[in-house]
Amino acid sequence: DGGITQSPKYLFRKEGQNVTLSCEQNLNHDAMYWYRQDPGQGLRLIYYSQIVNDFQKGDIAEGYSVSREKKESFPLTVTSAQKNPTAFYLCASRTGTGLGDTQYFGPGTRLTVL
Amino acid sequence: AQKITQTQPGMFVQEKEAVTLDCTYDTSDQSYGLFWYKQPSSGEMIFLIYQGSYDEQNATEGRYSLNFQKARKSANLVISASQLGDSAMYFCAMRDLVMNRDDKIIFGKGTRLHILP
Repeated sequence: DGGITQSPKYLFRKEGQNVTLSCEQNLNHDAMYWYRQDPGQGLRLIYYSQIVNDFQKGDIAEGYSVSREKKESFPLTVTSAQKNPTAFYLCASRTGTGLGDTQYFGPGTRLTVL
Repeated sequence: AQKITQTQPGMFVQEKEAVTLDCTYDTSDQSYGLFWYKQPSSGEMIFLIYQGSYDEQNATEGRYSLNFQKARKSANLVISASQLGDSAMYFCAMRDLVMNRDDKIIFGKGTRLHILP
């Protein structure tokens, strides 16, 4: 089945540690995205990538880093520089570049910093 | 600046009734697209329906329809014959031409829908 997978579903981290969230898609989509969602809030864009080996900062990139070495994979690293990392993280990919081209989402990773 | 507003933080509806979730938007572009997503308690965002600004007909997808009123800049989601499984958070989202150039989409803050048995 085609889709987006994220792992792990739940992640616990001690303060001061970096942690990497996985996102893989087999939809053959060029563009991939990382969003952060805080309780009761909408989604905020962290980073996005429109093509392999290229990515751009979103609205809240500070304290995060990404890589895009393969079309299928877009891992997100939450660094110790991120001041409030506890949140729900959603990865998405997009069908194309037209106005109506939809973003499809993975199941999300819930990160808790202890 | 582009903006999405969802004014209903929470709604309670009896099972089998129809539900309307409000969404208003703001953009100066004439070309834009509007999306609705459902987020159940599991967390995944599920795409429901899309409406383009030049589409003449209101979008429909099964029990979901979009009540698109361009002059009022509103794009309300209508769910007919609600079911218990419709209990979830619902997000309205928009992308206009300017945003599309930057590959951006904006989301509202969502409406939490509770379907009562």
